Amino acid sequence: DIQMTQSPSSLSAPVGDRVTITCRASQTISVYLNWYQQKPGKAPELLIFGASSLHGGVPSRFSGSGSGTDFTLTISSLQPEDFATYYCQQTYSSPYTFGRGTRLEIK
Amino acid sequence: QVHLQESGPGLVKPSETLSLSCTVSGGSISNSSHYWGWIRQPPGKGLEWIGNIHYSGTAYYNPSLSSRVTISVDTSKNQFSLKVRSVTAADTAVYYCGRDSMNKWLGRQTDFWGQGTLVTVSS
Repeated sequence: DIQMTQSPSSLSAPVGDRVTITCRASQTISVYLNWYQQKPGKAPELLIFGASSLHGGVPSRFSGSGSGTDFTLTISSLQPEDFATYYCQQTYSSPYTFGRGTRLEIK
Repeated sequence: QVHLQESGPGLVKPSETLSLSCTVSGGSISNSSHYWGWIRQPPGKGLEWIGNIHYSGTAYYNPSLSSRVTISVDTSKNQFSLKVRSVTAADTAVYYCGRDSMNKWLGRQTDFWGQGTLVTVSS
């Protein structure tokens, strides 16, 4: 299985800050990398697919980059509704594994 | 707008079979562009991909679960289902169903999710 390593596991930042979360794959996955946001008690929601394509309705302050093994999710200016847990997922090969998540908290 | 809704028992006894259904509305499960899948999340933990299925019946499973899992589709009801046999406490989780969309260049992604249903394995 392809292992997905996210860092940091948790992060504290104030509203308005620029935040970056990284995800590293244990082998090359091209751009087959998705990012999801999950709020407590809710289902995950797709943010980014194909490493850098914004899912419909997702605010433009979210962006993704990377290819091969190293990927980043950037939030350009944190808003109160962005405090949540973020997961990366590879869909290069089955099983489609997730990172362990990054919990983003208000500072 | 596609909507998915999980249904099934919230409590299952150890060694028995967990059975869940997902009803799709606002779109046809027979759309050849999509797969329909299951993902689970143990309480307080991360996400685990279980598997998915195409309306044609082609299914893919996580090898760690494949010996105990079956995903099936019922196009007449616009539903797909999950069965997990011989459950233990380790199968206690919130189970989500979702729609997987495919892009030849950008891979697949779960773009619509059900709200999730908690299944507890306990005697």
